[in-house]
Formats: sequence, C-alpha cells, structure tokens
Amino acid sequence: NAGVTQTPKFRVLKTGQSMTLLCAQDMNHEYMYWYRQDPGMGLRLIHYSVGEGTTAKGEVPDGYNVSRLKKQNFLLGLESAAPSQTSVYFCASSRLDDGSPLHFGNGTRLTVT
Amino acid sequence: AQSVAQPEDQVNVAEGNPLTVKCTYSVSGNPYLFWYVQYPNRGLQFLLKYITGDNLVKGSYGFEAEFNKSQTSFHLKKPSALVSDSALYFCAVRDWAYGQNFVFGPGTRLSVLP
Repeated sequence: NAGVTQTPKFRVLKTGQSMTLLCAQDMNHEYMYWYRQDPGMGLRLIHYSVGEGTTAKGEVPDGYNVSRLKKQNFLLGLESAAPSQTSVYFCASSRLDDGSPLHFGNGTRLTVT
Repeated sequence: AQSVAQPEDQVNVAEGNPLTVKCTYSVSGNPYLFWYVQYPNRGLQFLLKYITGDNLVKGSYGFEAEFNKSQTSFHLKKPSALVSDSALYFCAVRDWAYGQNFVFGPGTRLSVLP
C-alpha cells in the first residue's frame, strides 16, 4: 500500500519555466490538497479538491493551477516559476468525515533560480 | 478564523525525561485538534486527534495530548522521551473555510539529547 506518492522529489527551475508536480493516492480518498512548507510558517494551503473534476483555491493560490481529472490523481502546475515559489510542496489526501486526518506524501523540494 | 500557536520554536529534553510540546488554539465552535510529526525529508505523519470525549487522548509511539478547553490548549506529552522522537511537531485545527482543511501551527523542533 503506497499511500500518497509525489513526483518528482527534487527539481530546479529557472525563473519563467513551467512544471507540473504529480500526486497519486491509492486509498480512494475524496479530498486532496496541495500545501507549501516554508521555514517558520507551517503549511499553507495552495489548492484543494473535494472530488474528481472539482478544484478550489486555498490560502495562497496565486501562480499555481491544479487539475483532478481522476479521483486518485491531483496535479499542481506552475506556469511561470518565480523565486518566491522556492519551497517544499506536499500533497495530502483524506476521507470525507471531519475527524479524518491527512495522509501526506514525502514532498517535492523545488528551487527556482 | 481558526488559528494555532506553538509558542516554542525549539524544545530540548534529555532522553528518559518527560516531554511537553505546547499548542494553543483559537476557534469558533468546537475544536477538532490534531498533532502531526515530521521526520527529515518526509511528509507529516498523523499522531493523534481530539474530536470529543475524554480530554486525554492517546496516540502513536507513546504520545498523548491533553485538551484543556478553559485554557484553549492541546499540549503534546510523552512520559519518557527517546532520541528517535527528535523531529518537527505540528499542531493543527480543522478549518472549514477551505473545504475540509487544516490550519497548522508553525511547528516546534524537538531535540532529545542522549
């Protein structure tokens, strides 16, 4: 049981380049999330999805787009990378009920130069 | 809006001693509180949660947490620390502003010294 899998693990981009981060979960969870983690700031929600074909903006959505074409996959795109997007990105998923915890992937470390 | 504070950036404790990692929260309504742990180069792992019921909740790896409504606190505790407990700990509260999201505290780094 793989849980939540993120690819790639590391990436270096130049300013203005684009990329897509991939997230896959095998737990049949309805909810999926993308967070960024920056030192001293905890985790901040970028975008989330409450089900296949639906996405919504989180706390810090600017400069990112997402898609959830299949229930098990949640993609995060950066159309034109900026140095401010240097961060560690985490994907997470959870069941529908309010008491369900998040299940996290191992993260993608992105550096934008 | 929901918020979570972790007043200590770093907690140092000797192996075998009890440990406490502090968390206070601000919510409207009943809080759904969680603790997560993050080891180096890994994602966060769920430790325990408080939804309702007994104020002392037990979780993974011997950790427990005490919910105190009057002090709006949810401190993480362990009776006897291990070196392997050294990690980054996050307190979180359920937040319904963005779907079924969480609001995380900034994290507390725990170092257990041998």
